[in-house]
Amino acid sequence: KQEVTQIPAALSVPEGENLVLNCSFTDSAIYNLQWFRQDPGKGLTSLLLIQSSQREQTSGRLNASLDKSSGRSTLYIAASQPGDSATYLCAVPPWSSARQLTFGSGTQLTVLP
Amino acid sequence: NAGVTQTPKFQVLKTGQSMTLQCAQDMNHNSMYWYRQDPGMGLRLIYYSASEGTTDKGEVPNGYNVSRLNKREFSLRLESAAPSQTSVYFCASSDSAANTEAFFGQGTRLTVV
Repeated sequence: KQEVTQIPAALSVPEGENLVLNCSFTDSAIYNLQWFRQDPGKGLTSLLLIQSSQREQTSGRLNASLDKSSGRSTLYIAASQPGDSATYLCAVPPWSSARQLTFGSGTQLTVLP
Repeated sequence: NAGVTQTPKFQVLKTGQSMTLQCAQDMNHNSMYWYRQDPGMGLRLIYYSASEGTTDKGEVPNGYNVSRLNKREFSLRLESAAPSQTSVYFCASSDSAANTEAFFGQGTRLTVV
């Protein structure tokens, strides 16, 4: 059974700092990996989707990498802003059931002004 | 764009009562999903519908039923609510292909007393 782990559970950084969020998964047979953002009391907003054949995906100040062989993904946030404060979740669908996303528990990010 | 719309946003039920959570998407997606989110447990898949006319169990289906009413709508029914079903429920949709993003609604916060 796929297990997804996100460390740390919480992170606090000063505004302007570059930071990296980590996601690891136990089964490397995945279709893709998706990063989401969740604001308190809100739904999930899709940030980036990396296909299994890709190594990186970029959107604005966000860059996500994927290393399937080691079961790891990172989300890099450049020049962090207070508006980036949220919980960041990664999720993977296993090869055996492409539509069933398995989620990590998330990293709660606080960017201090 | 509306994306994925869930109703209601909040609901309080007494143990044993029934209710239906509604979900509609306007992105012409084939696949739809219901997840629940609980502290310390993350997001878990309850049921999904790969295409109109089909439904399948996810990780935690007990106590729930679903109906894929048409391509746009996917409802989740609690026949006899229990306190253990107190949670935040999210509906999501994606295109039928494996390597496509999932989009989420804003959630329904359900409390069973």
